[in-house]
Amino acid sequence: GESVGLHLPTLSVQEGDNSIINCAYSNSASDYFIWYKQESGKGPQFIIDIRSNMDKRQGQRVTVLLNKTVKHLSLQIAATQPGDSAVYFCAENYAQAGTALIFGKGTTLSVSS
Amino acid sequence: DGGITQSPKYLFRKEGQNVTLSCEQNLNHDAMYWYRQDPGQGLRLIYYSQIVNDFQKGDIAEGYSVSREKKESFPLTVTSAQKNPTAFYLCASSMNPEVNTEAFFGQGTRLTVV
Repeated sequence: GESVGLHLPTLSVQEGDNSIINCAYSNSASDYFIWYKQESGKGPQFIIDIRSNMDKRQGQRVTVLLNKTVKHLSLQIAATQPGDSAVYFCAENYAQAGTALIFGKGTTLSVSS
Repeated sequence: DGGITQSPKYLFRKEGQNVTLSCEQNLNHDAMYWYRQDPGQGLRLIYYSQIVNDFQKGDIAEGYSVSREKKESFPLTVTSAQKNPTAFYLCASSMNPEVNTEAFFGQGTRLTVV
């Protein structure tokens, strides 16, 4: 399960700030990690992924950091915009689950302008 | 447009009835998945299929059944044995059953037991 100390169920930021969403994953054998964004009443949308042989990966305005030592994953969003308001989920994959993703509980990001 | 289509968007069921949720994809993906989402919660894996005519139970398979007779279709049946079926159901697919890649999600079916 997730580490309560690292996971915050909600995060409120001002427009233009940088946001950091944390996730503690459960399985030390996990080798693939992914972040999704979910807007109310919709299916999750892919943001960025990372494999266990990397510790950082950058996309457009987003960066994912992986710390395998403490089983921690973070998503950084630069210059957060109101359209970024949503629930963010991290997910992991390990061999016993085939290619299925195992999801964390999610963090609700609220961006005020 | 390529994508995953779930139908219907909203579904109401009487207690004791079985109901089938549809999931169709035209992405030519090998693997398909069903997840359940309860309010304020994450997604929990019900069943997944990595290839036609084969599927595996996820974490919460009790009270559900699936079939995978065609590559593009992965219907989920919620049976009367499922004690608390009211939830948001999400179907997803991914390209390759051998290599981890992102899963693409449908827009979900909201099932309510009345």
